[in-house]
Amino acid sequence: GAGVSQSPSNKVTEKGKDVELRCDPISGHTALYWYRQSLGQGLEFLIYFQGNSAPDKSGLPSDRFSAERTGGSVSTLTIQRTQQEDSAVYLCASSLPQRSYEQYFGPGTRLTVT
Amino acid sequence: KNQVEQSPQSLIILEGKNCTLQCNYTVSPFSNLRWYKQDTGRGPVSLTIMTFSENTKSNGRYTATLDADTKQSSLHITASQLSDSASYICVVSAAGGSYIPTFGRGTSLIVHP
Repeated sequence: GAGVSQSPSNKVTEKGKDVELRCDPISGHTALYWYRQSLGQGLEFLIYFQGNSAPDKSGLPSDRFSAERTGGSVSTLTIQRTQQEDSAVYLCASSLPQRSYEQYFGPGTRLTVT
Repeated sequence: KNQVEQSPQSLIILEGKNCTLQCNYTVSPFSNLRWYKQDTGRGPVSLTIMTFSENTKSNGRYTATLDADTKQSSLHITASQLSDSASYICVVSAAGGSYIPTFGRGTSLIVHP
């Protein structure tokens, strides 16, 4: 079956603009994760969705970052008033419930803020 | 604080040679350890997963070892190929229901012909 897909694959935006990144998880995976990968750094957890439960937003770096997941499937990560330090690869992963150790990653969106 | 340290940061080897990547962790209580391969411009792909009771796991030319006592793991790549050029990431999960693992920064491997 299809894996995790993300769009766009690359996004270049001007400082101060808003951006939306999309993630389409594997069908049937109720758990969805967003991570940020900066150059030379490990993956940084941003937000976690599990079914209809309230998301764990503890990793969001500022109130400019938000995410939603509609209908328990597709998720959108929104960054408002982008800053240059937001430049990174944003990775989405999904997993079956109770199997968080088996996360399947999408190809990522490379965000460049100029 | 849970941490995962990987070494070396980068490695260059010739095609056909073997290499070993290291991972030390302080995650506690330990649940499992995974090695991922991340090709440039792609998302990480799982190579192996090991739990506390497992001390070795193979996946083709990749062999991972785990010493839960010393909290160390290694990934050995045999007869390297050009396609092995990638970043290798060690990921450790804690027990007790935590769903957010701790990621190492990765080892960047370049295989030259």
